[in-house]
Amino acid sequence: DAGVIQSPRHEVTEMGQEVTLRCKPISGHDYLFWYRQTMMRGLELLIYFNNNVPIDDSGMPEDRFSAKMPNASFSTLKIQPSEPRDSAVYFCASCSASTDTQYFGPGTRLTVL
Amino acid sequence: GENVEQHPSTLSVQEGDSAVIKCTYSDSASNYFPWYKQELGKRPQLIIDIRSNVGEKKDQRIAVTLNKTAKHFSLHITETQPEDSAVYFCAASRDQAGTALIFGKGTTLSVSS
Repeated sequence: DAGVIQSPRHEVTEMGQEVTLRCKPISGHDYLFWYRQTMMRGLELLIYFNNNVPIDDSGMPEDRFSAKMPNASFSTLKIQPSEPRDSAVYFCASCSASTDTQYFGPGTRLTVL
Repeated sequence: GENVEQHPSTLSVQEGDSAVIKCTYSDSASNYFPWYKQELGKRPQLIIDIRSNVGEKKDQRIAVTLNKTAKHFSLHITETQPEDSAVYFCAASRDQAGTALIFGKGTTLSVSS
């Protein structure tokens, strides 16, 4: 298995632009998580899905952030409009219902100028 | 909600020494406690975990202890090596696969030879 796949690996954009981050979880995993990592705030859970359904989005910072999971093999995290304070590394992780081990993707490093 | 405190934030040891990282949690319902290692520019990776029905777990040079009464758990690394240098994160959740992990802020471990 290729593991959790994220794209793009790096994204540089200007303030006000829309940003879309993509994630493909490990095949067969029921749960998908989006995290944001910054030096100041550490690793924060933004939202997670179970069987494509959002379960907890209380970590989403504001309405500019939205996430979807249209099928079991694909999820997106969208920021519109982006702001410099959104600059961070965004990780996607997945796990199966039979184990608690979350496997992280390589992350997307987002820079908003 | 759950809150996880992690100490120290930085730790420097000589090769061959032991390293101990401590975490406390606030939610008495939490019963799954993983530890992740993150090397510079890489994704977090699970190194060991423990559940509330166990007081200690060991895997070669790494061990984790849990005190549910005091709500704290610790990571112990013995015979440290330069390749142990990384950021270590503790986390807590209410178990059940996929339940949100709340992470500590991380400990930067430096092992000098």
